[in-house]
Formats: sequence, C-alpha cells, structure tokens
Amino acid sequence: DTAVSQTPKYLVTQMGNDKSIKCEQNLGHDTMYWYKQDSKKFLKIMFSYNNKELIINETVPNRFSPKSPDKAHLNLHINSLELGDSAVYFCASSQGDRGWDSPLHFGNGTRLTVT
Amino acid sequence: LAKTTQPISMDSYEGQEVNITCSHNNIATNDYITWYQQFPSQGPRFIIQGYKTKVTNEVASLFIPADRKSSTLSLPRVSLSDTAVYYCLVVATGGFKTIFGAGTRLFVKA
Repeated sequence: DTAVSQTPKYLVTQMGNDKSIKCEQNLGHDTMYWYKQDSKKFLKIMFSYNNKELIINETVPNRFSPKSPDKAHLNLHINSLELGDSAVYFCASSQGDRGWDSPLHFGNGTRLTVT
Repeated sequence: LAKTTQPISMDSYEGQEVNITCSHNNIATNDYITWYQQFPSQGPRFIIQGYKTKVTNEVASLFIPADRKSSTLSLPRVSLSDTAVYYCLVVATGGFKTIFGAGTRLFVKA
C-alpha cells in the first residue's frame, strides 16, 4: 500500500549516459513533483505537474526532462549525465488544488551516483 | 516566498521535551507554517501545520505567536527514534511551490 513509490532506489552510472527514474502515486493526488537533495542535504524543487501539465520548472538544465503520462505518474529522464547530477532525487505528490491543506507526500528517494 | 531560519542542530536526551524555533519575519497574510521530518534514507514526512495560535496532533504541537514571525515545534518526551532533520516551511495558500530550508538536525541521546 505504498503511497509514493519510485524506482530504482539506487542508480549508478557513468558520465554521458542517459537514465530515467520512475515515480507513481496511488493517493489520487492531482500534483506531482521532483525534488533534488544534494550532499549538503538541501532539498530543491525541480519540477511540478498538476493534472499532467507542467506548472513549475525551476532553473534546471534542459538535460532533465519530466514526463507525466497520467496523473499518477511522473517520470524523470536525464540525458548526458554529469558528475554534478549525483544526488538523491525525491518524487512527491499533493492534492494541489487545495493549496495549504495539501501537505507533500514523498517517496523514499533514488540515490543517483554518476562516476 | 518567506524565508525561514532555524538552528542547524540540536541535541537532546530521551524523555525530554524538545522545542525547535523557526523565524519567518516576512511571512505573508495567506501563508501557512508547516513542519516536516526526515529520517536518513527516507523522504520528508509531514508533521504538523498551522496558521496562528496553537495546533496539536498526536505527534507534536506547534506554537505560533500573534505576529506570526516565528513558530515553535514542540516534541514531547522524545525518543531515540525522533533523531531526524526537521524542516520549517512557509507555504502560500494555493501555492504549488514548497521551499525547504536547511532544516534542524535533532540528535536524541540515550
């Protein structure tokens, strides 16, 4: 009965490769997010989708491309991976149209290591 | 978006009450104060949220003074399993952009 699940949990790859991280939520939420947590533990929002439409796109390199095939899924594809992309990536969801009454529900993260 | 300031780390002992204070001097009228908890190798988890005065749930209490420029998360009788990072956030009504600060690393000792 996992609420927000993301795969894989660990991802080790070499520079220049292309990789994807998948995320699914079974909470019936309208909004999904990708956050990046760096080695200093700062959590930074990358993207947000509401009802499959992109609503937040922070200053993220265009090598990062989110894709939302439906409300329950938000995948993250990364092209030409760089060393600086190494981090933990968290997927989250919320019932976006209720604003404050809508805490984020996070997955357990995908630890990406680029060598 | 209102910026938050909270202590980098705190130490406590089992059974004690822990209070973590967060400053948010430029909080807007429609903003809510929200706290999350993050354990190692897990995503943040919502703890409590409030607008003003006091809010209590089964996990914690949140005290917000009348001017709303700060808030205090109170954890009663902490245990070793409360060792985590606690994030204070200010969330705009209707906003999709939840911004996390650096958080407070709480270490609970036996």
